[in-house]
Amino acid sequence: GQSLEQPSEVTAVEGAIVQMNCTYQTSGFYGLSWYQQHDGGAPTFLSYNALDGLEETGRFSSFLSRSDSYGYLLLQELQMKDSASYFCAVGSGGSYIPTFGRGTSLIVHP
Amino acid sequence: SQTIHQWPATLVQPVGSPLSLECTVEGTSNPNLYWYRQAAGRGLQLLFYSVGIGQISSEVPQNLSASRPQDRQFILSSKKLLLSDSGFYLCAWSMNGGNEKLFFGSGTQLSVL
Repeated sequence: GQSLEQPSEVTAVEGAIVQMNCTYQTSGFYGLSWYQQHDGGAPTFLSYNALDGLEETGRFSSFLSRSDSYGYLLLQELQMKDSASYFCAVGSGGSYIPTFGRGTSLIVHP
Repeated sequence: SQTIHQWPATLVQPVGSPLSLECTVEGTSNPNLYWYRQAAGRGLQLLFYSVGIGQISSEVPQNLSASRPQDRQFILSSKKLLLSDSGFYLCAWSMNGGNEKLFFGSGTQLSVL
């Protein structure tokens, strides 16, 4: 099976940079995805890494190290609206059925 | 463009009553479909997924079942709800062969009393 570990909560101030980590254990690893979920809402896709390195999309960047079974999501120029839960998900096995971590609650303070 | 519809948004049901949640996808063909459940403050637990009509895979044993009567329709059912079935139920779809990116419906908050 698969397992993922994420810190339960991270706090930061507006305008700062925050990094949210994800470590995983899985067989037949395909890639690591990240999702954002605001309270009461549905998760929305942010990014995907299949290869080692950094992927950048605007203020969001995602990093993967396959040898370390580790990835992180980096948010720059934090805004209050970034307060949400962030989930990593790994795909593995022949059909890549996503398994989600428990998520990190990001709290952004003024 | 593709859209996913899930209803109802909220549901309050007594213990022992039946359940039917429906999800439909528009604007795509042969999607992979998923049902996830999320307990308060927790991660997403995969319940069922489907790669085609009539093809359902279950991830965890429970008193829930799923059906896919049409290509873009996915239904979650129960004959008799338990208190432990309360939670936030999310339907999702992905492109066939593109499971790294899921698109979620707006969810159903189910309270079993």
